[in-house]
Amino acid sequence: EAQVTQNPRYLITVTGKKLTVTCSQNMNHEYMSWYRQDPGLGLRQIYYSMNVEVTDKGDVPEGYKVSRKEKRNFPLILESPSPNQTSLYFCASSKLGNTEAFFGQGTRLTVV
Amino acid sequence: GQNIDQPTEMTATEGAIVQINCTYQTSGFNGLFWYQQHAGEAPTFLSYNVLDGLEEKGRFSSFLSRSKGYSYLLLKELQMKDSASYLCAEGTRNDYKLSFGAGTTVTVRA
Repeated sequence: EAQVTQNPRYLITVTGKKLTVTCSQNMNHEYMSWYRQDPGLGLRQIYYSMNVEVTDKGDVPEGYKVSRKEKRNFPLILESPSPNQTSLYFCASSKLGNTEAFFGQGTRLTVV
Repeated sequence: GQNIDQPTEMTATEGAIVQINCTYQTSGFNGLFWYQQHAGEAPTFLSYNVLDGLEEKGRFSSFLSRSKGYSYLLLKELQMKDSASYLCAEGTRNDYKLSFGAGTTVTVRA
């Protein structure tokens, strides 16, 4: 089954404690991205990647890091989480070009 | 950046029709997407328009006018399960980025 898998689905953590949210896709897609979704603001892109070892900033990259060592995986790293990073996070993948994006199930992160 | 506007909320009766408008302003336009998102779930793809005109897909249709920077999603024969948020998103050419509007929450009442 074609899918994008994120883990964990829910996470509560404390300020400053490094965390990683994993994302994996099995569709051989070149393009992967991370979004955060906040009430009234919609989905905002954090980082994206067009291929292995190629990553770039989206609209709200501050406080986040990503890596793309393999085509299928695109982890999101928060080196020192802060309460303003409490949000619902989605990973997405698609073929290169503006094509249909497939989203993971979401990760609800709370930073206290 | 892109400026994508869509209404915040709409309410309609089961069996009725609802039209959700979306306006955008950008250069490098490379297509307009609509996604459906049920509460607490991931967005799922509904439609994609890159040329002017109407694309029909069952009960859902999407329209695009590039000269006006305008799109709409038409939901016909509304069902209770259509209660969801509908996201308008614009694709851009150089970075293949998707820029989303804040979403329109549609509530279908019996």
